[in-house]
Amino acid sequence: QSVLTQPPSVSGAPGQRVTISCTGSSSNIGAGYDVYWYQQLPGTAPKLLIYASSARPSGVPDRFSGSKSGTSASLAITGLQAEDEADYYCQSFDSSLTGYVFGTGTGVTVL
Amino acid sequence: ELQVVESGGGLVQPGESLRLSCAASRFSFSSYAMSWVRQAPGKGLEWVSYISGTGGTIYYSDSARGRFTISRDNSKNMLYLQMNSLRVEDTALYYCAQLTSLGAWGQGTLVTVSS
Repeated sequence: QSVLTQPPSVSGAPGQRVTISCTGSSSNIGAGYDVYWYQQLPGTAPKLLIYASSARPSGVPDRFSGSKSGTSASLAITGLQAEDEADYYCQSFDSSLTGYVFGTGTGVTVL
Repeated sequence: ELQVVESGGGLVQPGESLRLSCAASRFSFSSYAMSWVRQAPGKGLEWVSYISGTGGTIYYSDSARGRFTISRDNSKNMLYLQMNSLRVEDTALYYCAQLTSLGAWGQGTLVTVSS
């Protein structure tokens, strides 16, 4: 059972903005550990979208943005495109578990 | 472009062992911590184990602790995962991954534990 909770699915029409929440606790996100976000297209390996809670690696469109507040983090996708249909995972470190943790994952559907 | 390539997966029976390998290239391997992450068929990502750049700090998930051993050979740019006493529930695609800003992930190697 994951310690980072995400909604199972979110959807939006092309061009819309969607957000994915990642709810943790005082031993992970709330303790100040960085949050990472990954995109996993069907049949492929995860791809890093956001690191250090809000930074984008080179090559990742600025349509993707991350934020963190308290014990939660969020990934926003603006200008939703068909190619954004994928599973998205948050990830952080947990001091109680002394290890890394992934979120439960969120499937994004473009209507 | 950063590259990590996993190998060593296969079909084994419960209780058997398997050693996974990960070859890294195009980045300063010894400067970065590495992890193994797995994904069971149709399921989400699960972190398995972490090793620091020098190998001096190692973490395991509860499911891996006591059965799996992570190691690295910085002279060869290689990461390993020795998996003993394998269980059916260890069946998954195992990724070698750099869980920081580098974000390097391999394509995974499939481990199937079945009688």
